[in-house]
Amino acid sequence: ETGVTQTPRHLVMGMTNKKSLKCEQHLGHNAMYWYKQSAKKPLELMFVYSLEERVENNSVPSRFSPECPNSSHLFLHLHTLQPEDSALYLCASSQDRMGNTEAFFGQGTRLTVV
Amino acid sequence: LAKTTQPISMDSYEGQEVNITCSHNNIATNDYITWYQQFPSQGPRFIIQGYKTKVTNEVASLFIPADRKSSTLSLPRVSLSDTAVYYCLDTGRRALTFGSGTRLQVQP
Repeated sequence: ETGVTQTPRHLVMGMTNKKSLKCEQHLGHNAMYWYKQSAKKPLELMFVYSLEERVENNSVPSRFSPECPNSSHLFLHLHTLQPEDSALYLCASSQDRMGNTEAFFGQGTRLTVV
Repeated sequence: LAKTTQPISMDSYEGQEVNITCSHNNIATNDYITWYQQFPSQGPRFIIQGYKTKVTNEVASLFIPADRKSSTLSLPRVSLSDTAVYYCLDTGRRALTFGSGTRLQVQP
């Protein structure tokens, strides 16, 4: 248990569906992140939020839409995904958005797009 | 963009000491060196962080030479449960960016 909780743990969705991934942390952290990890590939940083403001968006397709309503919650809204979007999606949080403070990761959501 | 270089994979046996070396050719003055561990289908977990010389905690030791162009993660007496991917990162200027990591396989 890292203090970062992701739901659901597993998700299967069709290409025309709309779904959302949820991340929650009560560690008092100010920065939250979404990462994508495809099979046997490095983690790809998707989005960074600092104090509820998006500060980084690494050329992610618009079919992925993040939302950070408060410092404890982070969502990733999914719509019209492609099969190549199937991956493990990881949420992380840290005290601030500079990498010198320890980041805590959730267990991830295993997404399968059919 | 700072990028580290580390071996793709390593093999070891239970009870041995494992040393994984990383190159930090583009490390900046204010960057720290941080190592994470990742098990399959889980998020990475922080192991250790240092700026220079030697740092030790209950899990590992980290050796950083004076020029800070490299670092060595030392895992004493590994067990099967240490089989994982280990990432070295230059940290401090921006959010965590992971490379390919080193896949450590511990054999009985």
